[in-house]
Amino acid sequence: EAQVTQNPRYLITVTGKKLTVTCSQNMNHEYMSWYRQDPGLGLRQIYYSMNVEVTDKGDVPEGYKVSRKEKRNFPLILESPSPNQTSLYFCASSLNGGSQETQYFGPGTRLLVL
Amino acid sequence: AQSVTQPDIHITVSEGASLELRCNYSYGATPYLFWYVQSPGQGLQLLLKYFSGDTLVQGIKGFEAEFKRSQSSFNLRKPSVHWSDAAEYFCAVGGRTGRRALTFGSGTRLQVQP
Repeated sequence: EAQVTQNPRYLITVTGKKLTVTCSQNMNHEYMSWYRQDPGLGLRQIYYSMNVEVTDKGDVPEGYKVSRKEKRNFPLILESPSPNQTSLYFCASSLNGGSQETQYFGPGTRLLVL
Repeated sequence: AQSVTQPDIHITVSEGASLELRCNYSYGATPYLFWYVQSPGQGLQLLLKYFSGDTLVQGIKGFEAEFKRSQSSFNLRKPSVHWSDAAEYFCAVGGRTGRRALTFGSGTRLQVQP
């Protein structure tokens, strides 16, 4: 089954404790991205990757890092989480990153930073 | 820069009633337009999309949307709502040039009364 998986689904952490949210897709997609969803703001893109070792900032990249060492994986790293990063995070992928393409989303990771 | 407005934060309809969710966009030309649905605890799923041609597009689950260039709108409709349609709905815009990321609206939460 074609899918995007994220782990963990739920995470509670404390300020300053580094964490990583994993994302994996099995569709051989070139393009992957991370979004955060906040009430009243919709989804905002954090980072995206056009291919292995090619990443770039989205609209709200501050406080986040990403890496793309393998085509299928695109982890999101919070080096020093802060309470304002409490949010619902989605990983998404598409074939080549064209804006006309369907985005396939993971189930989301709900993060609470105390 | 492209933007999307969903003026209704929350809508409640009775099961079997018709539904229209509003979406207005701002973009210099005709953009790519999408509607995604997010069921509780799930990621986003594509309902339908518009690129060009016929301005009335059909999607999954009995949904349709109409692109109206003169009104910069892309409203989502369904003639008869089912209880399983309760979810959050996001309109999104993709630019035909430049930045490839989608711009999402803030979402409309649909509640269905029995």
